[in-house]
Amino acid sequence: GEDVEQSLFLSVREGDSSVINCTYTDSSSTYLYWYKQEPGAGLQLLTYIFSNMDMKQDQRLTVLLNKKDKHLSLRIADTQTGDSAIYFCAETWDGATNKLIFGTGTLLAVQP
Amino acid sequence: GAGVSQSPSNKVTEKGKDVELRCDPISGHTALYWYRQRLGQGLEFLIYFQGNSAPDKSGLPSDRFSAERTGESVSTLTIQRTQQEDSAVYLCASSSHMPNTEAFFGQGTRLTVV
Repeated sequence: GEDVEQSLFLSVREGDSSVINCTYTDSSSTYLYWYKQEPGAGLQLLTYIFSNMDMKQDQRLTVLLNKKDKHLSLRIADTQTGDSAIYFCAETWDGATNKLIFGTGTLLAVQP
Repeated sequence: GAGVSQSPSNKVTEKGKDVELRCDPISGHTALYWYRQRLGQGLEFLIYFQGNSAPDKSGLPSDRFSAERTGESVSTLTIQRTQQEDSAVYLCASSSHMPNTEAFFGQGTRLTVV
């Protein structure tokens, strides 16, 4: 089945690290993604990780993947007020078609 | 075009009327997705087109919803006999077929059923 879950809300202080978590159900997922949606804007891809990796770092972003527990996380170092947005994890479900399934989204609020 | 274009950007319609939403994907993108995002909620998958394959319609919530795509170009999402619970932002995205490519999203159509 296809089910991707996230916590709904996270509040952090500016300069702290943020960790946004995601769990998914399809063990055959090939790629897992993090998208960002700023207020009034469309979604933009932040980063992705291939399922045979367990970590990927991209500047302030670190993605951790625990395949055994089907758990994906996004860590944002030195969180800034401009990072305030909704963050969606997504997986490609059913490798034959690469259908993209999104999580419920986590609203990140950064307090100055 | 440079990006995914959706029209109209806003649509207010009366309950019971039909609406048609349009999506122009990025040229050359074989995959096209429709999602629904209700206020304060996540993205709900509706339908997925991939090249000439039969579309995956598993996310369409009722038979009032239908979508078409002509080849690898424009797609239209039609909602018949709209209901108030259809009010949402309808997002379209396109991508190439390669598995690790980015899905590019349009700005969405905000549908309000009154």
